[in-house]
Amino acid sequence: AQKITQTQPGMFVQEKEAVTLDCTYDTSDPSYGLFWYKQPSSGEMIFLIYQGSYDQQNATEGRYSLNFQKARKSANLVISASQLGDSAMYFCAMREPYSGGGADGLTFGKGTHLIIQP
Amino acid sequence: DVKVTQSSRYLVKRTGEKVFLECVQDMDHENMFWYRQDPGLGLRLIYFSYDVKMKEKGDIPEGYSVSREKKERFSLILESASTNQTSMYLCASSRSGGGNQPQHFGDGTRLSIL
Repeated sequence: AQKITQTQPGMFVQEKEAVTLDCTYDTSDPSYGLFWYKQPSSGEMIFLIYQGSYDQQNATEGRYSLNFQKARKSANLVISASQLGDSAMYFCAMREPYSGGGADGLTFGKGTHLIIQP
Repeated sequence: DVKVTQSSRYLVKRTGEKVFLECVQDMDHENMFWYRQDPGLGLRLIYFSYDVKMKEKGDIPEGYSVSREKKERFSLILESASTNQTSMYLCASSRSGGGNQPQHFGDGTRLSIL
């Protein structure tokens, strides 16, 4: 069974609209971390935002916010006021167990290809 | 800024060759990782290391080995390259001290095995 599910293979959005990219996860561990990365066509993976399973508030970083619904095991990325430069692949990833050393690798979803149209 | 440098952006090798992919990070990070990325599959963890000379298998270690002789350098080795190892390979590093530490990635090596 997939641990990270991104149900939207691709999305087209008009510039300046808000975008929600879906991510659901599966874990039985109470401690885990969720990450979102952006991968432009140039190939580099860019860290966007992090949410810990015990965090009380939804994470925000500039135009990015994470809609964390723990009971639903959902961690959707919201991009406000989308820009042409937001066009990229977006990956949701999970680290489990939530270890102090942070040495565990990430489990990635298959990604969502977001295209922002002018 | 964290800099993770992979030695080659593109690489073409033949089946049966021994292939070395090199990765260097300049932020004194304890942890280093190797992933491969294939269309429709996302990224999959091959190996990681949390200290010099230490290594742990990820989800798909078969056909690969790694070496970490110095803290800043993590090498991925394809002992006898096969065509199904044609892929994009991504190296990453992170700091220890908390599960919230993000991994910082290099630009990737696109490897073709002919």
